[in-house]
Amino acid sequence: NAGVTQTPKFQVLKTGQSMTLQCAQDMNHEYMSWYRQDPGMGLRLIHYSVGAGITDQGEVPNGYNVSRSTTEDFPLRLLSAAPSQTSVYFCASSRDFTNNEQFFGPGTRLTVL
Amino acid sequence: RKEVEQDPGPFNVPEGATVAFNCTYSNSASQSFFWYRQDCRKEPKLLMSVYSSGNEDGRFTAQLNRASQYISLLIRDSKLSDSATYLCVVNEGNYQLIWGAGTKLIIKP
Repeated sequence: NAGVTQTPKFQVLKTGQSMTLQCAQDMNHEYMSWYRQDPGMGLRLIHYSVGAGITDQGEVPNGYNVSRSTTEDFPLRLLSAAPSQTSVYFCASSRDFTNNEQFFGPGTRLTVL
Repeated sequence: RKEVEQDPGPFNVPEGATVAFNCTYSNSASQSFFWYRQDCRKEPKLLMSVYSSGNEDGRFTAQLNRASQYISLLIRDSKLSDSATYLCVVNEGNYQLIWGAGTKLIIKP
């Protein structure tokens, strides 16, 4: 099993550009989520999904969209990049949400100029 | 926003010593609790869940105090490989985990 994969690992954008961060898992997990991690702060939830076709907003959803057309894939789209979106982005999955381990991808380091 | 607070450290500890971290949470209705470990520039990984009666996994012991709303992690006989950031995580039962900012631990030879 590859676990949770994310692409790209690094990305530099200019203000106003859009892009999609890819996330895929091969563990047949129902729950998937996107976080951003900034220095001195805990991981903050952007969006999450409890199954294919179901998504919901987390703590910091503004400026991001998600979709979940399959169990495996959960892409995160930045609509119009801003310098405030410079961060490390992690995708995570778990079998379900209740008490199960969250498995993380290796992260995407995004810089917006 | 519900909060999970941790001492950011760093804790500088000699190899072989015992070190303890605490984490406090603000939502008394929180349902489950975890410690994750994050190495520098890597993704978080589950270290252990925290159960009401306390639990141990080798050199690591986790405890929960619901009355005072804090969670603790004790590491005995610390190893150089224990150097990392330890993240406290709280499940509030609404599909959202709340993460502390982490406590950085540096083990010195």
